[in-house]
Amino acid sequence: AQKVTQAQTEISVVEKEDVTLDCVYETRDTTYYLFWYKQPPSGELVFLIRRNSFDEQNEISGRYSWNFQKSTSSFNFTITASQVVDSAVYFCALRGAGNNRKLIWGLGTSLAVNP
Amino acid sequence: GAVVSQHPSRVICKSGTSVKIECRSLDFQATTMFWYRQFPKKSLMLMATSNEGSKATYEQGVEKDKFLINHASLTLSTLTVTSAHPEDSSFYICSAPGTRSTDTQYFGPGTRLTVL
Repeated sequence: AQKVTQAQTEISVVEKEDVTLDCVYETRDTTYYLFWYKQPPSGELVFLIRRNSFDEQNEISGRYSWNFQKSTSSFNFTITASQVVDSAVYFCALRGAGNNRKLIWGLGTSLAVNP
Repeated sequence: GAVVSQHPSRVICKSGTSVKIECRSLDFQATTMFWYRQFPKKSLMLMATSNEGSKATYEQGVEKDKFLINHASLTLSTLTVTSAHPEDSSFYICSAPGTRSTDTQYFGPGTRLTVL
């Protein structure tokens, strides 16, 4: 069975702090895809990143970085020098290969960045 | 990136009425769309997969007669909440796989339904 675990329900930091959001997944598929989405208070889900199982290269996009480690089945997300606008709920999701495009969602981590 | 719209963004209705929510892919075609429901401070719950030209596939526990889905064209899927009750109040979100990167789902802005 596939599963995504985001153990951190809520995180609160002060602006400019670095923060890491954890994501651990379970799957028996050899090919799969991992995603991170941001959901600000407005409710609209914003796509952040997609990573396939064959690409373990870490990625950096501005203040955002992702650490994908198959050995520990983790796909953690770090925000460097956090800002108030980063306050949102962040979801990690998993999708297997093939025609089934259903996403398996984590419960989300609510991040509050305080001024 | 791919754009998905939803209409209306917010709706308030009386108990017993039916409400239709539209989901459109604006700059790409989508043979498949997904409908989610999200309760406050909760994760997304997949309700059904909408398929253009065929019946929707519902997740276990979702009432087909309650939540009618019609995928009328390659750019439009509708969700109708029939005989709505207060417990149907929720945030409904649709998504569609983009064509440039078919493994990525793009989400509509969501519809907040309040049933009085």
